[in-house]
Amino acid sequence: DGGITQSPKYLFRKEGQNVTLSCEQNLNHDAMYWYRQDPGQGLRLIYYSQIVNDFQKGDIAEGYSVSREKKESFPLTVTSAQKNPTAFYLCASSPDVNSYEQYFGPGTRLTVT
Amino acid sequence: GENVEQHPSTLSVQEGDSAVIKCTYSDSASNYFPWYKQELGKGPQLIIDIRSNVGEKKDQRIAVTLNKTAKHFSLHITETQPEDSAVYFCAASGSSNTGKLIFGQGTTLQVKP
Repeated sequence: DGGITQSPKYLFRKEGQNVTLSCEQNLNHDAMYWYRQDPGQGLRLIYYSQIVNDFQKGDIAEGYSVSREKKESFPLTVTSAQKNPTAFYLCASSPDVNSYEQYFGPGTRLTVT
Repeated sequence: GENVEQHPSTLSVQEGDSAVIKCTYSDSASNYFPWYKQELGKGPQLIIDIRSNVGEKKDQRIAVTLNKTAKHFSLHITETQPEDSAVYFCAASGSSNTGKLIFGQGTTLQVKP
């Protein structure tokens, strides 16, 4: 069963704690992306990776970090430096950066109190 | 900078009527324009896309038109059904060879039975 998986679906953390969101794909896609979605708003790009062991900051990278050690995995860490971390986080992948076709996972809703 | 404007923000139609959502983009180099449907609590699903060498594309009840001169594109849904109710996002490809998409703010479509 091919696709993009994100776990967990819901995540709760206390303020001041780092938390890592998982994103895995078995589509053999080169590029992967992390977005943040707030209520009533569009998708804002946090980080993206065009290839293994390489990643670039998106529009709102402050307070976040990523790694891309394997082609199929692109975990996102929300650090305590992120001022307003409560949001819906979406991971996407694309065959390569030239196709622009992005396919999304089901998302993780993070709540920090 | 790169920007995509989407209108309207909310749209309510009667079942069986047509729905039209419009987007304008700022970067004349954009050449890929996807549309996503997002149901509550789920990740966006790619429903149709168009590239700049085509003016119109149709898939059953869904069609997209592109006017590159005016830098706008539209989603048309005919014979709407209650299951079409969702948030719809347009996007345009960003700067060269990054695979980035610039998203509109979303349109909440409600189809009344």
